[in-house]
Amino acid sequence: GIQVEQSPPDLILQEGANSTLRCNFSDSVNNLQWFHQNPWGQLINLFYIPSGTKQNGRLSATTVATERYSLLYISSSQTTDSGVYFCAVERSQGAQKLVFGQGTRLTINP
Amino acid sequence: DTAVSQTPKYLVTQMGNDKSIKCEQNLGHDTMYWYKQDSKKFLKIMFSYNNKELIINETVPNRFSPKSPDKAHLNLHINSLELGDSAVYFCASSQEGSFQETQYFGPGTRLLVL
Repeated sequence: GIQVEQSPPDLILQEGANSTLRCNFSDSVNNLQWFHQNPWGQLINLFYIPSGTKQNGRLSATTVATERYSLLYISSSQTTDSGVYFCAVERSQGAQKLVFGQGTRLTINP
Repeated sequence: DTAVSQTPKYLVTQMGNDKSIKCEQNLGHDTMYWYKQDSKKFLKIMFSYNNKELIINETVPNRFSPKSPDKAHLNLHINSLELGDSAVYFCASSQEGSFQETQYFGPGTRLLVL
């Protein structure tokens, strides 16, 4: 099956810093999503971004499908950005299935 | 008003028991999902229901059975619980039947099997 690898596994930053999270995948995809799970466990769907760039406030994401990676940018980090960020992909061919990466744990210190 | 709600939030039970987790969404969505998150935070899709019809059944044991009385509800029944079933189970919903749109998640149900 498709492999999804996220890096770094852990990231600790000070408030106000910028960060870049990466998601590599091993096969062609027609779907890529970014999720945030806050420290209380709540999951939020951030972006649906199979290709191109999207922005939502301080967050933006870019997917280069031909090179099989996606990047999530967080600017001017706030403590509320802490949590685990998951990337999930769906292969272009084969059964409809969303496969998750192992996540990047982001800690923003005040 | 909670968009996607799950009950119970916590469930502690003995091995071999049968239990159910309920999920309700008030968003008018056509598709609902169940995800499992294990102790290492790994997320995996279990089931997807589109307008009361199963459209995905990932390789989960048949002890797990989703039941959808109507499109606003997708309950998860688990028979003969095992230690490895301990996890957090998330319900989610989306407008249509593909993963190519925003999903809205419930708060999760933390299941502990002793």
